[in-house]
Amino acid sequence: AAGVIQSPRHLIKEKRETATLKCYPIPRHDTVYWYQQGPGQDPQFLISFYEKMQSDKGSIPDRFSAQQFSDYHSELNMSSLELGDSALYFCASSLGNSAYEQYFGPGTRLTVT
Amino acid sequence: SQQGEEDPQALSIQEGENATMNCSYKTSINNLQWYRQNSGRGLVHLILIRSNEREKHSGRLRVTLDTSKKSSSLLITASRAADTASYFCATDGNTGKLIFGQGTTLQVKP
Repeated sequence: AAGVIQSPRHLIKEKRETATLKCYPIPRHDTVYWYQQGPGQDPQFLISFYEKMQSDKGSIPDRFSAQQFSDYHSELNMSSLELGDSALYFCASSLGNSAYEQYFGPGTRLTVT
Repeated sequence: SQQGEEDPQALSIQEGENATMNCSYKTSINNLQWYRQNSGRGLVHLILIRSNEREKHSGRLRVTLDTSKKSSSLLITASRAADTASYFCATDGNTGKLIFGQGTTLQVKP
């Protein structure tokens, strides 16, 4: 069965650069969630989209923005990268935004040097 | 953590033993889920228990939920070396976002 696809899987950037992370949800899933997991930390909710509209926002820095496109894929744009942005970024998708089982992608490991 | 504590933070057992992890949360919930994460890898959904359920089983997994104490436990019976991973509980927030606990790192020694 198709799973959530994230690209790239690994990304190395320097401070003050920008990064774009992509997420392709499971076919027919209309909801996408983004989470950030720092080293040794639990995943923290960043932002979510339902039917291409932002549905919730968590602890996402103003330097970050995201959107969901007409084909339901989502992109997380990160600017003015800081060392503290180094983390694993997960995307998850679900059918509807009722928080029943979310399916997680493999994550993008971002390293800021 | 946004959500609460997981106890213990680390657990080391021998293969064949049972492993119990506990999770506490702060707010009212619709459901509580448990996820597994192998080192640096993705999150794998294990089991979901709804707020009106008290116990649920799936294979070697047994989850309990006590909404009066805002706590849940995950029991893995007859553990295997392949169960070595971090285990997170997660509760649902409004609009479907998951709020994770700090996680328990389980090591199963062969």
